[in-house]
Amino acid sequence: EAGVAQSPRYKIIEKRQSVAFWCNPISGHATLYWYQQILGQGPKLLIQFQNNGVVDDSQLPKDRFSAERLKGVDSTLKIQPAKLEDSAVYLCASSLVGGGTGELFFGEGSRLTVL
Amino acid sequence: GESVGLHLPTLSVQEGDNSIINCAYSNSASDYFIWYKQESGKGPQFIIDIRSNMDKRQGQRVTVLLNKTVKHLSLQIAATQPGDSAVYFCAEKAGTYKYIFGTGTRLKVLA
Repeated sequence: EAGVAQSPRYKIIEKRQSVAFWCNPISGHATLYWYQQILGQGPKLLIQFQNNGVVDDSQLPKDRFSAERLKGVDSTLKIQPAKLEDSAVYLCASSLVGGGTGELFFGEGSRLTVL
Repeated sequence: GESVGLHLPTLSVQEGDNSIINCAYSNSASDYFIWYKQESGKGPQFIIDIRSNMDKRQGQRVTVLLNKTVKHLSLQIAATQPGDSAVYFCAEKAGTYKYIFGTGTRLKVLA
């Protein structure tokens, strides 16, 4: 079974530039998450989708971050304009709904460096 | 607000010894917890989970203990191996499939 796919793996940009990350979850997983992981910290939830609807985006800095999951499958996270403090690994995860262990399956992440 | 934290940021153990990683949580209503392992450059990987109606669950070489009285979780790894070197996170279920992660503990296995 293919895992969660993310791209790009690495991105370096100047502050005030924009960047977009892509995620393709495990087939059949209705729930998709974007987490931000700053070096030395645990993952922090940015946004959670159920199919193509937003369940929780309370910690998403909406003045600069946006995310969509238009067809209920893959998702894009955008940052515009980027700030230095956005340097982090952006993790995408997916999970089944309505049963199972509730386990989140993570991708390998997209590492962003803002200069 | 809700938070999940860890007592020890770094734990060094001798290969073959047992490891114990601790985690404190603050939401007494949480009913599900997961331990994740994160190796360098990779995403977190599920190790073991436990529901609040249990106080102990065992897997292969790992055991999770839950003490709801003091809101404390621990992960025990038996016969620690070099491949166990990683950062370990506990995660607390804070809503329908929403999880809050702790800061993490780095486990270093010494040869």
